[in-house]
Amino acid sequence: NAGVTQTPKFQVLKTGQSMTLQCAQDMNHNSMYWYRQDPGMGLRLIYYSASEGTTDKGEVPNGYNVSRLNKREFSLRLESAAPSQTSVYFCASIEGQQETQYFGPGTRLLVL
Amino acid sequence: GQSLEQPSEVTAVEGAIVQINCTYQTSGFYGLSWYQQHDGGAPTFLSYNALDGLEETGRFSSFLSRSDSYGYLLLQELQMKDSASYFCAVRDIGNYQLIWGAGTKLIIKP
Repeated sequence: NAGVTQTPKFQVLKTGQSMTLQCAQDMNHNSMYWYRQDPGMGLRLIYYSASEGTTDKGEVPNGYNVSRLNKREFSLRLESAAPSQTSVYFCASIEGQQETQYFGPGTRLLVL
Repeated sequence: GQSLEQPSEVTAVEGAIVQINCTYQTSGFYGLSWYQQHDGGAPTFLSYNALDGLEETGRFSSFLSRSDSYGYLLLQELQMKDSASYFCAVRDIGNYQLIWGAGTKLIIKP
């Protein structure tokens, strides 16, 4: 039982490049989330998926797209990276009415 | 809008007790959660209050008062390993979004 996994752990991009951050959970959770966390700041919700086949915008969706590939996997795509997207990205999952969110280890992204 | 307010930083001494407050403005939520995050790590779940009152889990306790729009996390017998950032969060009743406070950095001195 690996919990929530994320790949890659680190990534350096040049402005304008694209990339996809992968997230998978093996806990059979319905809901999955993508957050970004800037240094010394709290978590800001980018997108979330309440269940397989649905996605919704969070607080800061601009510049990102998501895909809920199946119940296990939820990917985040940066189509044209900008320096303002330099951040740590966390994926999380939660099961139904339970209030515990389980987080992946994070992806540290630097956009030059 | 919905928001949660926490102090940005709290300092305490090893072995002491510290309280981290969270005040909120939100139209409706299921309950108040607390998470711990060490530098460079991911947030981990600490405690959840669905109802008003005190919840105790070992050295950590959490309290919620919906009438006062207020909650707190109480850490007892502080240890150096408790040095971390602590976040409060609520889940909006209308959807599955979690709304987060900006976090409180807890500094523990020997």
